[in-house]
Amino acid sequence: AQSVAQPEDQVNVAEGNPLTVKCTYSVSGNPYLFWYVQYPNRGLQFLLKYITGDNLVKGSYGFEAEFNKSQTSFHLKKPSALVSDSALYFCAVRVSYNTDKLIFGTGTRLQVFP
Amino acid sequence: DVKVTQSSRYLVKRTGEKVFLECVQDMDHENMFWYRQDPGLGLRLIYFSYDVKMKEKGDIPEGYSVSREKKERFSLILESASTNQTSMYLCASSFWLAGGRSTDTQYFGPGTRLTVL
Repeated sequence: AQSVAQPEDQVNVAEGNPLTVKCTYSVSGNPYLFWYVQYPNRGLQFLLKYITGDNLVKGSYGFEAEFNKSQTSFHLKKPSALVSDSALYFCAVRVSYNTDKLIFGTGTRLQVFP
Repeated sequence: DVKVTQSSRYLVKRTGEKVFLECVQDMDHENMFWYRQDPGLGLRLIYFSYDVKMKEKGDIPEGYSVSREKKERFSLILESASTNQTSMYLCASSFWLAGGRSTDTQYFGPGTRLTVL
């Protein structure tokens, strides 16, 4: 069965420092991977996705993610964190190629300190 | 911009009540989804629908039912609310591109925080 794991409940980083939010996956076949963000009191927003092609995927708000097949990881990264990046981040994997059904991770709360 | 709206931001109900959560999207999307979000558990899919009057069970359908009579509206029904259904409920929608492949993006509503006393 398809699944994703987010090993950290919370990540703390100082403003201006690089940030990484980790995600590992378990899929049969080619993975379709996503990152979503939830700002306080708001619904989830799509950040970026990996379907095929370049292993480094660029998304909204300066975020990027690196797909690593050998390590079955899809970590979210940003070179310089902003206080406004503080939010709840979810990694997700699509169940199969012909459906939009997603399996979400448990979420990682990112706290950026000034 | 795609807009997904949910009928209430906050809702308080009593055990045993029948509860309706409504979701409306304005972009003619084929697919609609209901999730519940709980701390430490992430988002879990309750039901989804890929067309009017079509529905499929997600991972945690027990205690819930759904209705999709019109393309833009997807309702989640708690037949007899229980305290373990206290949660944040999120609705989402997406569409199929021509050829049957989706955009891969789900658009979410703001959520309904349901408390069952």
